[in-house]
Amino acid sequence: AQSVTQLDSQVPVFEEAPVELRCNYSSSVSVYLFWYVQYPNQGLQLLLKYLSGSTLVKGINGFEAEFNKSQTSFHLRKPSVHISDTAEYFCAVRGTSYGKLTFGQGTILTVHP
Amino acid sequence: NAGVTQTPKFQVLKTGQSMTLQCAQDMNHNSMYWYRQDPGMGLRLIYYSASEGTTDKGEVPNGYNVSRLNKREFSLRLESAAPSQTSVYFCASSPVGSYEQYFGPGTRLTVT
Repeated sequence: AQSVTQLDSQVPVFEEAPVELRCNYSSSVSVYLFWYVQYPNQGLQLLLKYLSGSTLVKGINGFEAEFNKSQTSFHLRKPSVHISDTAEYFCAVRGTSYGKLTFGQGTILTVHP
Repeated sequence: NAGVTQTPKFQVLKTGQSMTLQCAQDMNHNSMYWYRQDPGMGLRLIYYSASEGTTDKGEVPNGYNVSRLNKREFSLRLESAAPSQTSVYFCASSPVGSYEQYFGPGTRLTVT
């Protein structure tokens, strides 16, 4: 079984500032890792994923995340945020041989002008 | 392509009433999923269907039933709604061999 912990429930930040959303996971098997974004009143959209290879993965809208196996983390970063990045972000994990996703509790990112 | 569609968008039920949430996808995906989203709890899997003709329980199946009507459609039924089932419900689908799930826009359900 896997579990995911998103360490911050809310992150306020000013426009053009950098941001990091933290995600730690627990698993007894190898995992795939994902970040999803949910804009207000919408469904979830895949932001980026780590399956294998380079531990630094780049996604849409200028976001990137780094997989750190020793610290079991997959933190999401963006060097300069925009108002339009205001949304809820979910980290998710699944085992490499098991199809179901386990989601974290979500982090609400609010970008202020 | 419409992707994943869900109906209705909003619903208010009284305790004890029944209803069916509909989900359809036009991407020829094999796997389909039902989640519920509650504040501070992320998304929790209710039921999933790995392929047409099969369904399995997820993390929180109690109080729900599902039907995989065909490859396109996967419905979620509440036989006797309870206030604890007030939530936003998302349907998702995934193609064979892919690790990505595609989500619908959600159904916001309130049980009074």
